[in-house]
Amino acid sequence: DTAVSQTPKYLVTQMGNDKSIKCEQNLGHDTMYWYKQDSKKFLKIMFSYNNKELIINETVPNRFSPKSPDKAHLNLHINSLELGDSAVYFCASSHRTITSSYNEQFFGPGTRLTVL
Amino acid sequence: DAKTTQPPSMDCAEGRAANLPCNHSTISGNEYVYWYRQIHSQGPQYIIHGLKNNETNEMASLIITEDRKSSTLILPHATLRDTAVYYCIVPPPGGTSYGKLTFGQGTILTVHP
Repeated sequence: DTAVSQTPKYLVTQMGNDKSIKCEQNLGHDTMYWYKQDSKKFLKIMFSYNNKELIINETVPNRFSPKSPDKAHLNLHINSLELGDSAVYFCASSHRTITSSYNEQFFGPGTRLTVL
Repeated sequence: DAKTTQPPSMDCAEGRAANLPCNHSTISGNEYVYWYRQIHSQGPQYIIHGLKNNETNEMASLIITEDRKSSTLILPHATLRDTAVYYCIVPPPGGTSYGKLTFGQGTILTVHP
């Protein structure tokens, strides 16, 4: 059983288009994240949701809009795609506890987005 | 976030122990040290974490110095499948930044036959 799944795995699209990436976790976690890994392999957090509430927003352009219909899903919608949006996008999930004693994040396999 | 410093790359022979160092001299008393790795074309994978005591699990051991300014991840018997980028991360202890993992450049570990 896949713990964190993402669809699609590959996404090739033209500049200016709008696209969505879906993420689902079956681990019973209440916190989900989106990360972006660019061509230089730097992995940066974009958003974090806890119980469908946005808790981290790392100065991402407004063209990126995460949507969490329920605790098990966190989708990423991107408007007006630009060349610089080409990257691998990873979804992750974890439990959220009051302390930081345990925050193992489980990552999905990634979605490779190519904007032409 | 406490800044971490890791060597950019290391080599290890298959079957030998791989010791990956990390400096985190600005770590505060309640911040944990986490290790993740990313195998090529896959999502990052949690390995281990610790506060001040040494930790061991089925994947690795984590040795944290007494002053907590550095740590070493030990893969006791490295295999070719352990070839990956290893990240040492000290996430913020809580509040609105809870869960924020800041990935640096990490250490590229190459295990060779």
